[in-house]
Amino acid sequence: GDSVTQMEGPVTLSEEAFLTINCTYTATGYPSLFWYVQYPGEGLQLLLKATKADDKGSNKGFEATYRKETTSFHLEKGSVQVSDSAVYFCALSSNAGGTSYGKLTFGQGTILTVHP
Amino acid sequence: EAQVTQNPRYLITVTGKKLTVTCSQNMNHEYMSWYRQDPGLGLRQIYYSMNVEVTDKGDVPEGYKVSRKEKRNFPLILESPSPNQTSLYFCASSLDRGRETQYFGPGTRLLVL
Repeated sequence: GDSVTQMEGPVTLSEEAFLTINCTYTATGYPSLFWYVQYPGEGLQLLLKATKADDKGSNKGFEATYRKETTSFHLEKGSVQVSDSAVYFCALSSNAGGTSYGKLTFGQGTILTVHP
Repeated sequence: EAQVTQNPRYLITVTGKKLTVTCSQNMNHEYMSWYRQDPGLGLRQIYYSMNVEVTDKGDVPEGYKVSRKEKRNFPLILESPSPNQTSLYFCASSLDRGRETQYFGPGTRLLVL
């Protein structure tokens, strides 16, 4: 079945540091890929997405590129802020057909803490 | 404002006492689903609904029921809660299945004693 693997956390960075959170996936067909962010005490909200190979999703200075050859969707940001402290989830939405079509499969989440 | 609402936000109950967590969306979305979030496991889908009166099991449906009598509402029912259902629950909706972004509610934290 489909699966998503994220780098283990927690990740602790100083403000203005470079961020990478690795994400790799296993899926049949050509899934859509997402990064969701969960701020403390809140629900998940979409950060960015990509729906086909080589697409780059970007938002709020974050970006991720859909790499079909390496089945990866790594999240990057050039200069993090304290306000970026949150839990980040990589996810895929299958389009393989059948009952799994459209279901979001999540990674385990990566906790990011940014210090001033 | 487009949103998904859940109630209650926090709930403490005892084993075996039936409870319902409500979920409502105001975006006229067809697809709705319930997830539970547990440490180290990410989010796992419990049930989903493709439209009114159409529901199906997700990855972890045991111990849960749902109904979809109206397009906007998708309640989650625990007929006889057990301690292993202590978790953080999220409702989500999207325009349809597939590549559409899902919008999440704020979450319901449930503790079953």
